[in-house]
Amino acid sequence: KAGVTQTPRYLIKTRGQQVTLSCSPISGHRSVSWYQQTPGQGLQFLFEYFSETQRNKGNFPGRFSGRQFSNSRSEMNVSTLELGDSALYLCASSLGQGMGTEAFFGQGTRLTVV
Amino acid sequence: GDSVTQMEGPVTLSEEAFLTINCTYTATGYPSLFWYVQYPGEGLQLLLKATKADDKGSNKGFEATYRKETTSFHLEKGSVQVSDSAVYFCALSSGNTPLVFGKGTRLSVIA
Repeated sequence: KAGVTQTPRYLIKTRGQQVTLSCSPISGHRSVSWYQQTPGQGLQFLFEYFSETQRNKGNFPGRFSGRQFSNSRSEMNVSTLELGDSALYLCASSLGQGMGTEAFFGQGTRLTVV
Repeated sequence: GDSVTQMEGPVTLSEEAFLTINCTYTATGYPSLFWYVQYPGEGLQLLLKATKADDKGSNKGFEATYRKETTSFHLEKGSVQVSDSAVYFCALSSGNTPLVFGKGTRLSVIA
């Protein structure tokens, strides 16, 4: 069974540009969550999608957006990139929501903004 | 809001030493508790979980017990190996809320 696939693995962008990251969840999983990981702030929740609907949203500016497609694949977009957006972006998929539901993480996309 | 506090690292141990990484939480209701591990260059992997008070999660020699009275979920292993070197994250989830993570504790095991 294939795991969670994130593409690309590495990305270098210039301030002011925009970027789109992709996540393919485990087959059958309908929930996809995105997290930003930085040395200073640790793991911070961005948003969660379930069956194409955004269920939860973290405390990030509107420059961060996402969507989920009918096949459960998800993308997140960051517009007008800032240096502080440099981070490892992790995607996690799960069967659904609820207590104790295990989340499976991808290897992440390492974004560097210069 | 919900939060998780883990002991600051890094933690450096010799092979076969006993490991404890402390984790306490604040949450409304009765959350599920998790330990995730992140190896260099990788995403997070679920190490173990517990969904109710007094549950003990265990995997690969690691274990943690859900203590409601002390709001704690400390990770322990009796004898660490070099291959256990990684960053360990304590996390919780309440109801349908997303996972809330601690800051992570880096463990280095030396031969």
